[in-house]
Amino acid sequence: DAGITQSPRYKITETGRQVTLMCHQTWSHSYMFWYRQDLGHGLRLIYYSAAADITDKGEVPDGYVVSRSKTENFPLTLESATRSQTSVYFCASSESLGHGYTFGSGTRLTVV
Amino acid sequence: DAKTTQPTSMDCAEGRAANLPCNHSTISGNEYVYWYRQIHSQGPQYIIHGLKNNETNEMASLIITEDRKSSTLILPHATLRDTAVYYCIVRAGYSTLTFGKGTMLLVSP
Repeated sequence: DAGITQSPRYKITETGRQVTLMCHQTWSHSYMFWYRQDLGHGLRLIYYSAAADITDKGEVPDGYVVSRSKTENFPLTLESATRSQTSVYFCASSESLGHGYTFGSGTRLTVV
Repeated sequence: DAKTTQPTSMDCAEGRAANLPCNHSTISGNEYVYWYRQIHSQGPQYIIHGLKNNETNEMASLIITEDRKSSTLILPHATLRDTAVYYCIVRAGYSTLTFGKGTMLLVSP
């Protein structure tokens, strides 16, 4: 199916564990983004990527690692999850920074 | 990117036009006005954007004042499914999207 898909939809993990959130888009968009959304903070940019093997930090990158070996995939890894990383994570893609972003349905992550 | 000011919440009757205002008095000449919305538990959805001319698409119209210091997003015939948080974002084409708190629009029967 065309579009942008995130997996898993829901995830519960324990403090200290590594967890990877997946994001896949079928449009061959150059840009991909990861945001987190928390009550009281709204949507905040974690990392973004302009192309395969090109990534850059956003507003809140600490504790996260990204990679982009293929244009269509942009996984987000929490190397050692903390409770403060409990959040809803949204992936997005865009043809360019100036175009509209298309967001995925989100992953609700709970760290216990 | 220029700062935007939006009302915290607005109400609209179903079938009526919803007019959502946004102030961006410090906007620069190369900055665009973007509107996104987020329906509960979903990812944000792009609605429309413009530089200085009014814009219209199948979802909404965007009216930008001549001095570009404010804009209005118009949903011509609001439905219950338009209940969402609406974000007005001002940014240059080379910068990423930064979301503010937005306006919670409640459409009632």
